[in-house]
This record gives sequence, C-alpha cells and structure tokens, in this order.
Amino acid sequence: DAGITQSPRYKITETGRQVTLMCHQTWSHSYMFWYRQDLGHGLRLIYYSAAADITDKGEVPDGYVVSRSKTENFPLTLESATRSQTSVYFCASSGVEDEQFFGPGTRLTVL
Amino acid sequence: GENVEQHPSTLSVQEGDSAVIKCTYSDSASNYFPWYKQELGKRPQLIIDIRSNVGEKKDQRIAVTLNKTAKHFSLHITETQPEDSAVYFCAASRPPTGYALNFGKGTSLLVTP
Repeated sequence: DAGITQSPRYKITETGRQVTLMCHQTWSHSYMFWYRQDLGHGLRLIYYSAAADITDKGEVPDGYVVSRSKTENFPLTLESATRSQTSVYFCASSGVEDEQFFGPGTRLTVL
Repeated sequence: GENVEQHPSTLSVQEGDSAVIKCTYSDSASNYFPWYKQELGKRPQLIIDIRSNVGEKKDQRIAVTLNKTAKHFSLHITETQPEDSAVYFCAASRPPTGYALNFGKGTSLLVTP
C-alpha cells in the first residue's frame, strides 16, 4: 500500500478556485483511476487511464480534468471548484487483470 | 452503463454468527467482481474477488458466490468477529475498461460481542 500516495491529504478551498490533487504510484502499474466517495453514493469513478497519455471518462467526469504524462503520476484537477465537489477522493492503480490498490485518500472541502 | 445494487445497507450480527451481503449487476458483460472492506477513515482494501468463469471462491472465513444467470453475487462471512465491523463494498467491472470498477453503495456491518 505504501506504493501509492496522494497529496495533499486534506485541502480546504473556496468556490471557483482551481485545485489539483496528486497521485503517485511506484509499481509501474498501467492502469490508474480516480474515484470520489460521498455518503449515500459509495465510490464513483471520475476518470481512468490505461497508460501514459491515454485517459477516459468515468461516471462523474464533469468539472474535472486529468492528465497522465508519466506512468507513475495521475493528477486530478478541479478547474473551478464547486461545493458539490466536496468529497473524499481516492486514487487507485492496477496492473493488467490485477487487484486495484487504493491510495490513502484526499479529503477536499470547498467553501 | 453498469448498475450495481447492494443490500442490505446496514447489517448487525452477534459475534460468531454469519453475515451475508448481496449484490446484483445489470451488465451481462461484466466479468470481474471484487469485494472491498473499508474501515472508518481508511482506504478500501480488497478482501476477495471472483471472475465470471468461477462460481464460488473461499478464503478462510470469507466466501463469494456468483450466479451469472441471475446476475448476482454474494459475500459470506462466517464466525464473525468484532474486527469484521466495517463498510463492505461490492463492485463489478467489464472489459475493455481496464477493470474500472462500478461500486455498490456499501453495507455497514456491525459485529457486536
């Protein structure tokens, strides 16, 4: 589990600000994912990536942007944060047909 | 897209009893079904998974069954212990989305001594 990290772990921001959440994994996993977790909704997929420079939308992509220039990093950017984006964000990674390993999460509050 | 329904949302059992959590999925192409355990304030962690070519899988006190025809799968925990108390999530995934998971909404399991 120490192989996947997220930063920051906690973030408070204001409506309209841009925020970037970082995710880094040391396993050279091909696949990386971003989920958000909200009470009553479980975990919902925001974006995922099959490899460097390959990304695709998940269930709830609106308001988010991702990039993957390097295999080990998968940052998630909220271009103009809204209160509805207050959530816990989990990054995950997996090799082909392997278990998904989750990062420790980032708790984001948008005021 | 895939829709995963999970029941019950809360479950309370006495220590030593069994617990069963059930999930249904909508996409017949789904072929990977993991179960995650999440303790309060922690990350989800895989406890067991099953693929569509297998009907049942066991790991000590935990077992998962899959019925492809009915499109449902279940988690069985036997001889429950207080440390089993957590939120459990089922998920389903289909190719070619690289095992991007569609989660159920979770079951909060409480095991009382």
